[in-house]
Amino acid sequence: EPEVTQTPSHQVTQMGQEVILRCVPISNHLYFYWYRQILGQKVEFLVSFYNNEISEKSEIFDDQFSVERPDGSNFTLKIRSTKLEDSAMYFCASSAQGRNEQFFGPGTRLTVL
Amino acid sequence: AQSVTQPDIHITVSEGASLELRCNYSYGATPYLFWYVQSPGQGLQLLLKYFSGDTLVQGIKGFEAEFKRSQSSFNLRKPSVHWSDAAEYFCAVDPLITNNNDMRFGAGTRLTVKP
Repeated sequence: EPEVTQTPSHQVTQMGQEVILRCVPISNHLYFYWYRQILGQKVEFLVSFYNNEISEKSEIFDDQFSVERPDGSNFTLKIRSTKLEDSAMYFCASSAQGRNEQFFGPGTRLTVL
Repeated sequence: AQSVTQPDIHITVSEGASLELRCNYSYGATPYLFWYVQSPGQGLQLLLKYFSGDTLVQGIKGFEAEFKRSQSSFNLRKPSVHWSDAAEYFCAVDPLITNNNDMRFGAGTRLTVKP
């Protein structure tokens, strides 16, 4: 069964460093999403991406964040200068249509020291 | 404020007992509704979803949920819980106010199953 994959599973970085979180969505899906979950808190929407551009973004997704689909398979989330409060689990998701079931990856746990 | 509320942070049930997890939402129109389960170290797996039609929806792993418009609720149920159901359960809502499905999640309910 096709699934969304994410790498790495755990990323540790120093405050101020850039990180790139990688996702491989399901191959025939067209809509891509990033969510984050700070420890002990709810899952929060960050951004949605369709047709090579951002469709929607939340207030969390500020200028420090960017997304990219560099090739036909990967979907990345970049944080330019990490802050302590960026420590969270980051989930990638994809869907075949804009309003339908989203399939989630296992997440990348980001720890900012 | 628009929100998704899961009133129970943690629920403990005995194996074989019935289960109901509560979810309420506060959005103007009837949104699309989802229940996801997250096992430790795993991603979010969809249990079931409601878009329209029959208000009682069946999902995977023996779960069902009932949409009640009058109560703005979408409670998840299972008649007999198995030890493997221990996990975190998230209610999620697509409020249909943007072009895409940027879902809003509840805070989650952690289910513990006693032997």
